[in-house]
Amino acid sequence: DVVMTQSPLSLPVTLGQPASISCRSSQSLVYSDGNTYLNWFQQRPGQSPRRLIYMVSYRDSGVPDRFSGYGSGTDFTLRLSRVEAEDIAVYYCMQGRHVPYSFGQGTKLEI
Amino acid sequence: EVQLVESGGGLVQPGGSLKLSCAASGFTFSGSAMHWVRQASGKGLEWLGRIRERGYNYATAYAASVKGRFTVSRDDSRNTAYLQMNSLTTEDTAVYFCSRLDYDDWGQGTLVTVSS
Repeated sequence: DVVMTQSPLSLPVTLGQPASISCRSSQSLVYSDGNTYLNWFQQRPGQSPRRLIYMVSYRDSGVPDRFSGYGSGTDFTLRLSRVEAEDIAVYYCMQGRHVPYSFGQGTKLEI
Repeated sequence: EVQLVESGGGLVQPGGSLKLSCAASGFTFSGSAMHWVRQASGKGLEWLGRIRERGYNYATAYAASVKGRFTVSRDDSRNTAYLQMNSLTTEDTAVYFCSRLDYDDWGQGTLVTVSS
């Protein structure tokens, strides 16, 4: 099974400053169709998860453009160009290339 | 408006069984794969399993942690997905979400507590 490893698990941030979260998969997430099935989710306390990014770098509808995703193969990054108060949450990467699907451990953004 | 509403959670004794339901509306349920994800209190998200659409012969897949104990099924006539959970242990205590992952649709979750 594919193991997703995020770092750091806790990320102290400063409002207005950038932040980055890393995610590494134990196997390549590239499918035969050429797409890479790596998603990023945000979860605020008491809420269901919300997807921010799909297929490495495509932002979901309504997601602010301060969120961006990049990477390839087995190494991926979620970047916030400037952290806002509403971004304080836990972030998860998730691979949808191999069954069983799997999430990273989560990265908690903290002020 | 897409809605996913889980039900069936509650308190169950170790070794017991429980069946969760996920009622869907606002989209073509029969054309969508459905997933189950859980989250123990204060812990991360854990993907549990999924069932594909009729066109893919309702193929199922499961996480190793629940394979052989949990079964995902669906009733397209009722627009409902199910998660049958058997041989429950205290480690299965969590909030259980159903999701149409491909479209980022999620239910609000239902709490399952396994305790004597």
